[in-house]
Amino acid sequence: GAGVSQSPSNKVTEKGKDVELRCDPISGHTALYWYRQSLGQGLEFLIYFQGNSAPDKSGLPSDRFSAERTGGSVSTLTIQRTQQEDSAVYLCASSLQEWGTGWTEAFFGQGTRLTVV
Amino acid sequence: DAKTTQPTSMDCAEGRAANLPCNHSTISGNEYVYWYRQIHSQGPQYIIHGLKNNETNEMASLIITEDRKSSTLILPHATLRDTAVYYCIVSSRNFVFGPGTRLSVLP
Repeated sequence: GAGVSQSPSNKVTEKGKDVELRCDPISGHTALYWYRQSLGQGLEFLIYFQGNSAPDKSGLPSDRFSAERTGGSVSTLTIQRTQQEDSAVYLCASSLQEWGTGWTEAFFGQGTRLTVV
Repeated sequence: DAKTTQPTSMDCAEGRAANLPCNHSTISGNEYVYWYRQIHSQGPQYIIHGLKNNETNEMASLIITEDRKSSTLILPHATLRDTAVYYCIVSSRNFVFGPGTRLSVLP
């Protein structure tokens, strides 16, 4: 596709249920990032993938959060036993190479708005 | 990862230049300065980045001080559509977004 695609765009779930959020990065982008943004807050880094491996999982807020990436492309962020404080917009970004190398930018999707009721 | 500090908010008159400062005093030699912006309810949008030289593109200019401890993003002729939160980021790997500067362009 032309850009980073995330699905669903909106998700309402009951407290205690598991949810899966999907990110389709731009074709050929090796680096993929997940962030979340609570209402009125800045972006909180969650996890970063280089290819299929996640060298940095430091941002995952608890063991209820996990993410995987297969085939160096699609990534899924899973939240188990959702809590109300998990309500936020979950944003995915991809870049041609690892950020910080200076010559590539990251492109963001429009996010998944998760509401836990 | 280097941390950044930015003013919480700024106002700018439409048609005037908007100058958004950022302090990054702990930046290391191989870290770049990136600027993104986020318009309400949208994903962040890349604006510009640089290492030590000043940079310009169709959206903005980036001025980085010689010691690299601070930088300024310049929107030369701000429009109402430039109203957004602007994030200054420096990192060698993880992009840590601070709270940014909320720029309001006023008619």
